[in-house]
Amino acid sequence: EAQVTQNPRYLITVTGKKLTVTCSQNMNHEYMSWYRQDPGLGLRQIYYSMNVEVTDKGDVPEGYKVSRKEKRNFPLILESPSPNQTSLYFCASSFFPSYEQYFGPGTRLTVT
Amino acid sequence: ILNVEQSPQSLHVQEGDSTNFTCSFPSSNFYALHWYRWETAKSPEALFVMTLNGDEKKKGRISATLNTKEGYSYLYIKGSQPEDSATYLCASQGAQKLVFGQGTRLTINP
Repeated sequence: EAQVTQNPRYLITVTGKKLTVTCSQNMNHEYMSWYRQDPGLGLRQIYYSMNVEVTDKGDVPEGYKVSRKEKRNFPLILESPSPNQTSLYFCASSFFPSYEQYFGPGTRLTVT
Repeated sequence: ILNVEQSPQSLHVQEGDSTNFTCSFPSSNFYALHWYRWETAKSPEALFVMTLNGDEKKKGRISATLNTKEGYSYLYIKGSQPEDSATYLCASQGAQKLVFGQGTRLTINP
């Protein structure tokens, strides 16, 4: 089954404790991206990747890192999480940005 | 940052009625306009991606139009059903980035 998976789905952590949210797709997509969703603000793009080893900042990259060492995986890294990073995070993939995006199930992160 | 605006923010419609809502976006550096349907506790799902001025796309009772010169897109739902209740998101693609609007939350009253 074609899908985008994210782990964990739910995470409660404390300020400053490094964490990684994994994202994996099995559709051989080139384009992958991370979004955060906050009430009243819609989906905001954090980082995107056009292909392996090619990543770039979206509109809200501060406090996040990503890597794309393999085509299928695009982990989101929070080196030192802060409470303002409490949010719902979505990973998405597609062949190109102008194709329909396939979204993962979401990761709800709470930083206390 | 591109500014993508959707209106209205929320909408209540009687079952069986038709409705439409708007997405406006900067017309410069435009590549594509996306529409997604997002049900509560699920992930957004693609409805349409449009690239050309004058594009019209249809999927069942849902259709969309695109005007790239003036920077707007309309989404139409004909004969609303309870299962149409969802948030509808549009996103404007400029080069490699997508910028989403805040969404229109649609509630269908039986």
